[in-house]
Amino acid sequence: SAVISQKPSRDICQRGTSLTIQCQVDSQVTMMFWYRQQPGQSLTLIATANQGSEATYESGFVIDKFPISRPNLTFSTLTVSNMSPEDSSIYLCSVEGPGGTEAFFGQGTRLTVV
Amino acid sequence: GQQVMQIPQYQHVQEGEDFTTYCNSSTTLSNIQWYKQRPGGHPVFLIQLVKSGEVKKQKRLTFQFGEAKKNSSLHITATQTTDVGTYFCAGVGDNDYKLSFGAGTTVTVRA
Repeated sequence: SAVISQKPSRDICQRGTSLTIQCQVDSQVTMMFWYRQQPGQSLTLIATANQGSEATYESGFVIDKFPISRPNLTFSTLTVSNMSPEDSSIYLCSVEGPGGTEAFFGQGTRLTVV
Repeated sequence: GQQVMQIPQYQHVQEGEDFTTYCNSSTTLSNIQWYKQRPGGHPVFLIQLVKSGEVKKQKRLTFQFGEAKKNSSLHITATQTTDVGTYFCAGVGDNDYKLSFGAGTTVTVRA
């Protein structure tokens, strides 16, 4: 299994500001995934972060809005930039377990933009 | 990429009754996974199905993968209050690595 430490667990931010979310994994992983889960909704993949290369973004998500860093095989950050109330959501990081099967998730960051 | 549809969105169950949630993909899947998310929590892996027609059981939970590897179901018997939460299916397409999540079925239980 993989243990993921994600922080902050929650934050209330002013519109126009940026928030950086951190994820630390207890083992080396090739890919880390960032998801958004809007209230009462499913999980939507924002991007896949690989160490040593630029993140791969899904349709509807752009690097300027959600810059991602992946400095090593155990750590990644997601920044939500120039926030608006529509960015209020839960953000989750995730990794695959050994063998590329089940996904493990961080505890999530509950973001409220006011 | 594939789209995964899941129904019903909500399931209100009397304690002790059974229920089923269904997932259907627009394309063939290499595997399908099921997750449970408790209120205020994060998704937790339940099971992965890989083979056509595969059936797996975990106590009161029965998971099934369709013959065409495009649909799946989760059946829970004798529902308990501990079953409360949202159940998501998530499919992985052929030649892909990304999970596509269904909309989820949110289960509430009447004691």
